[in-house]
Amino acid sequence: EPEVTQTPSHQVTQMGQEVILRCVPISNHLYFYWYRQILGQKVEFLVSFYNNEISEKSEIFDDQFSVERPDGSNFTLKIRSTKLEDSAMYFCASSPPRRGANNEQFFGPGTRLTVL
Amino acid sequence: AQRVTQPEKLLSVFKGAPVELKCNYSYSGSPELFWYVQYSRQRLQLLLRHISRESIKGFTADLNKGETSFHLKKPFAQEEDSAMYYCALSMNYGGATNKLIFGTGTLLAVQP
Repeated sequence: EPEVTQTPSHQVTQMGQEVILRCVPISNHLYFYWYRQILGQKVEFLVSFYNNEISEKSEIFDDQFSVERPDGSNFTLKIRSTKLEDSAMYFCASSPPRRGANNEQFFGPGTRLTVL
Repeated sequence: AQRVTQPEKLLSVFKGAPVELKCNYSYSGSPELFWYVQYSRQRLQLLLRHISRESIKGFTADLNKGETSFHLKKPFAQEEDSAMYYCALSMNYGGATNKLIFGTGTLLAVQP
């Protein structure tokens, strides 16, 4: 059964460094998402992406964040200059080509980002 | 603002006992509600959604718009049900994508 994959599983970086988190969504999916979960807190929506552009973003997704689908398979989240508070588990998700709020999202295993 | 509340961080029951994981939501429109489950060392996966009105692994959930609730129930808990359960809300606003708003999660521990 196809799954969403994410690399790396764990990323350690110094404050102020740029990081790129990578995701490979399920191949026929059209809608893509990033969420994050700070330790002990709820899973929070960051951004959604469709038709090669951002569809919606949260207040968390400021100018330090960007997303890209560079080659039709990968879906990346870049944090330009990491802060300590960016330490979290980052989840990628994708949805099949079916519109509607009841469309299931398939999650990746997550990347644990640790900013020192 | 839209919000999902799961009042219990931990619910511990014995095998064979009934389970009810509570979820309340705040949304003025017509919501879509989901339960996602995360077993130990596994990814988040959909357990069920209210629109399907189905029973998955013995779990059911009914949307009660009057009480703005979507509680997850199972009559007889099994040890393999032990996991983190997240209630999530999606909103019908006509956009292409539909972000999920999650509750804080309830850890269900089923004791033998």
